[in-house]
Order: sequence, then C-alpha cells, then structure tokens
Amino acid sequence: DAGVIQSPRHEVTEMGQEVTLRCKPISGHDYLFWYRQTMMRGLELLIYFNNNVPIDDSGMPEDRFSAKMPNASFSTLKIQPSEPRDSAVYFCASSLRLAGNQRATDTQYFGPGTRLTVL
Amino acid sequence: GEDVEQSLFLSVREGDSSVINCTYTDSSSTYLYWYKQEPGAGLQLLTYIFSNMDMKQDQRLTVLLNKKDKHLSLRIADTQTGDSAIYFCAETTYNQGGKLIFGQGTELSVKP
Repeated sequence: DAGVIQSPRHEVTEMGQEVTLRCKPISGHDYLFWYRQTMMRGLELLIYFNNNVPIDDSGMPEDRFSAKMPNASFSTLKIQPSEPRDSAVYFCASSLRLAGNQRATDTQYFGPGTRLTVL
Repeated sequence: GEDVEQSLFLSVREGDSSVINCTYTDSSSTYLYWYKQEPGAGLQLLTYIFSNMDMKQDQRLTVLLNKKDKHLSLRIADTQTGDSAIYFCAETTYNQGGKLIFGQGTELSVKP
C-alpha cells in the first residue's frame, strides 16, 4: 500500500485566502484523523472521521476551519479565511480501528504532512 | 486533562545506547506508542506497547513500561547517526475515543 497520501506538501498563501488540504487514507481504513503541529502547541488532534462521518471535531480551532470526507478515500481540511497564526504542518492519519481491543490494527499511520505558511 | 511529558533534547555518541523517557498522567492508558519524525517528514510508527505488558523488544528497540510510576522509556541500542530525529511518545485509551495524546517530542542528536 502507498500509505497515507497528502497534498500539497507545501503551501504558501496570503492572509485572507482560502486554503484546501487534501488526504487519501490507507485503503480499507475506517478512521481518518487530522492533526496540526506547531512549535508552540506540539501535535494537536483537530477532527476525526469514522466511515466518512465526523465523530469529534472538538479540536477544530474556530469556524474558519472545516473538514469533509465525501468518500472513504478522500478528505479535505479547509481554512477560510486563512491567518498567519494558521501556519503549521498539518498531518492526516488513518487507522483500521479505534483503540480499545489492544490490537495492532488500532495503530494510526501518518502521512508526510502539508507545511502551510500564511503570509 | 491527560498529559504526556518528555525531555526536549538528548545527545549521544554513535554506538552508545540512547534512552528516551516519557511520563503520562492518565492511569487508564491502554496503548502507548513511540513515533519517529525525521526532518521534513511525517510521523513513523516505531513500536507500541499495551498496558498489560511491561516490556517489548524489537531488534535494537526496547520499550519499558512502569505502570505504577506511569513511566515509559525507549532504549535504542547501538545508536546510529540515522537515528537522529524527534521521538514522540503518545498514549490513548478506549475512553478517549481513539484520540492520541502526544508528548512534546525528544530531539535525539547522534554524534559520530
């Protein structure tokens, strides 16, 4: 399998512009996670989906952020309008199951990330 | 809330053993993971341990879990320059709905 695929790898945009980050999870994985990594806050979970349905979006910073998963093989994270403080690396991860049964299938696998710079 | 703490930096010489430590606060943690992040790359799963285990060995990697002290360690034997990276400890429980709680990461520097 190719692993989790994210695009673009790098994005530079100006404040106020709309940004769309894309993710293709590992085929067959039922769970998809979006994380953000910054120096100040480390790795934070933004939202996760189960079978394309958002389950927990409590980590989404504000209404400027939205995420969708129209099908099992594609998800987007959108920021509109973007602000300089949104600059970070955004990771997508997927897993077959959620933690609970102490099986390796619960493990989350991460994509390479999208480095976003908002000027 | 749940918290995971790691020291920020570790420097060792090539060939020595490295020990990266992690403490966590959630006593109900059922899964503990070690991820490796190389510069400009995503997180790569190194190994994991379940809470009903005390130790897990995988080639050069040894994970020790002390549930009483809520302490997790990752030992890398015969550390190589290619091991230079940031190492993240993470934990989750069933009650957290699959959320991984990450430590700040330990930057390992291996000097030749």
